[in-house]
Amino acid sequence: KAGVTQTPRYLIKTRGQQVTLSCSPISGHRSVSWYQQTPGQGLQFLFEYFSETQRNKGNFPGRFSGRQFSNSRSEMNVSTLELGDSALYLCASSGVRANTEAFFGQGTRLTVV
Amino acid sequence: QQQVKQSPQSLIVQKGGISIINCAYENTAFDYFPWYQQFPGKGPALLIAIRPDVSEKKEGRFTISFNKSAKQFSLHIMDSQPGDSATYFCAASYSTGTASKLTFGTGTRLQVTL
Repeated sequence: KAGVTQTPRYLIKTRGQQVTLSCSPISGHRSVSWYQQTPGQGLQFLFEYFSETQRNKGNFPGRFSGRQFSNSRSEMNVSTLELGDSALYLCASSGVRANTEAFFGQGTRLTVV
Repeated sequence: QQQVKQSPQSLIVQKGGISIINCAYENTAFDYFPWYQQFPGKGPALLIAIRPDVSEKKEGRFTISFNKSAKQFSLHIMDSQPGDSATYFCAASYSTGTASKLTFGTGTRLQVTL
């Protein structure tokens, strides 16, 4: 069974640009959550999608958005990038609820210059 | 507001020793407590998890001890090996309603020396 796949693995963007990250969950999993990981703030919850609906949202500005498609694949978008958005963005998938047996992908390392 | 406090920040243990990492939580609604292991350049990997209806869960060399009254739980790694050197995160969440997210501790960097 394939794991959670995130693409791309690495990204370098310039301040003010926007970026889209992709996540393909484990086959059969319908919940996809996104987390931001930084040395200073640790792992912070961004949002969770289930059956194409955002089910929960963390405390991030509106520049951070996401969506989920009918095949459960999810994308995360960050607009008007800031230097502080540099982080490892992780996607986790689970069967029904995001908080039970969540499996993470390897992440996308975003660097904003 | 940090809802899950993890200690120590870093830990050095000799090969064969016991590694102990502690976490404390504030929200009594939490009812699911997983531990994740993360190697450099990788995403966190689910190691072991516990629910508050049991006080201990063991899987191989990894054991979670849970103290509901003290709102604390800990990870014990028996017979620690150099391959266990990684960062460990505790987490907590509650599974009712639609509030489905993991709240993580700040992580413990474990180094197992020869």
